[in-house]
Amino acid sequence: NAGVMQNPRHLVRRRGQEARLRCSPMKGHSHVYWYRQLPEEGLKFMVYLQKENIIDESGMPKERFSAEFPKEGPSILRIQQVVRGDSAAYFCASSPGMKNYYGYTFGSGTRLTVV
Amino acid sequence: SQELEQSPQSLIVQEGKNLTINCTSSKTLYGLYWYKQKYGEGLIFLMMLQKGGEEKSHEKITAKLDEKKQQSSLHITASQPSHAGIYLCGADLNAGGTSYGKLTFGQGTILTVHP
Repeated sequence: NAGVMQNPRHLVRRRGQEARLRCSPMKGHSHVYWYRQLPEEGLKFMVYLQKENIIDESGMPKERFSAEFPKEGPSILRIQQVVRGDSAAYFCASSPGMKNYYGYTFGSGTRLTVV
Repeated sequence: SQELEQSPQSLIVQEGKNLTINCTSSKTLYGLYWYKQKYGEGLIFLMMLQKGGEEKSHEKITAKLDEKKQQSSLHITASQPSHAGIYLCGADLNAGGTSYGKLTFGQGTILTVHP
């Protein structure tokens, strides 16, 4: 496991469709964080998950966005009925525990384009 | 206004020159992270600083944390074209320090190094 794996790298969706973004954390990491990088706005925290639990979703838009991190498989960020304003780069990071003294490893991101 | 302000927003230097990027917080810093991002790619972890006065170096990059000033600086010595990219500072600004990956990021500093 070379690092945090995100797929797809690029995703194009028409307005109104659903987008599913996947994040596989580093081996041994059970904590996942999702961030969104909007043009002109910088990188913003969205949600923090542990296996089967959402710990902090204070950065998630109230509607259309959801995230999960099941017991098995990758973490999923789901955006329903996408709009043009959802076009952004979505990054996930992982850590082995809540307290992390070694930095957070980010994936290469998924670039979502809504047309 | 931004909770984390980076300066300058962009920087163009000649290869071999030294440079400094600053990151100033409006709140108490509980951990400061420096990342580098190539355009269209993910974030590469550079360094993490936790204690006031702490200084870390990796190759030609040195980062310092001035807790009293709520500021960190990133210094590159003898810059090379490979140093070009976007430098982002991220910090845990949550009251009491949450010690998990809910980071606030600065807007980034775009560094160009001319050969």
